[in-house]
Amino acid sequence: QKEVEQDPGPLSVPEGAIVSLNCTYSNSAFQYFMWYRQYSRKGPELLMYTYSSGNKEDGRFTAQVDKSSKYISLFIRDSQPSDSATYLCAMSSYSSASKIIFGSGTRLSIRP
Amino acid sequence: DTAVSQTPKYLVTQMGNDKSIKCEQNLGHDTMYWYKQDSKKFLKIMFSYNNKELIINETVPNRFSPKSPDKAHLNLHINSLELGDSAVYFCASSQVDPTDTQYFGPGTRLTVL
Repeated sequence: QKEVEQDPGPLSVPEGAIVSLNCTYSNSAFQYFMWYRQYSRKGPELLMYTYSSGNKEDGRFTAQVDKSSKYISLFIRDSQPSDSATYLCAMSSYSSASKIIFGSGTRLSIRP
Repeated sequence: DTAVSQTPKYLVTQMGNDKSIKCEQNLGHDTMYWYKQDSKKFLKIMFSYNNKELIINETVPNRFSPKSPDKAHLNLHINSLELGDSAVYFCASSQVDPTDTQYFGPGTRLTVL
């Protein structure tokens, strides 16, 4: 079993829809939770960063962490065609914070 | 531009060859990383260097050898290339605090024939 599981998609939604992306994990030592966005043929870029449980909002993006269920989510409101990319969840533990474990990514397509 | 840069962007080579990928960052970061992303987009850390010192060395064949001449550069040398080495290799860098954001380079797409 992989440490981090993520549905690879692809996920296709119409412009303006709310998108929900999710990951589950097995290692209860994970404390730092991230979402990276990766456009085609580019390197990943950090989108959201949360520590431990709770919600974090940044513009149209909301990240949620539920440590009791070992489940994290990224919500995108008012989705735009420019949001079309692969979204990778990622996480690390307090003792190995720089060793990030990535999910396999969900490919998202926003239809105009 | 301040960034993480990698050369070459594309690399096509025959099995058994030796090749190197170079990475440079001008962000003033102390820590640099090499990641491998396979055809299914699975991104996995290979190595991490902090101020020229190896701090993370995942289960990677010893055909892969990272070299850090200074804290702004981290190169990856691969000996005796195999078909399974075909992937996109990303370099990244971050500040010394391990929770700091990692900034990724554009990737080097390696194809072994």
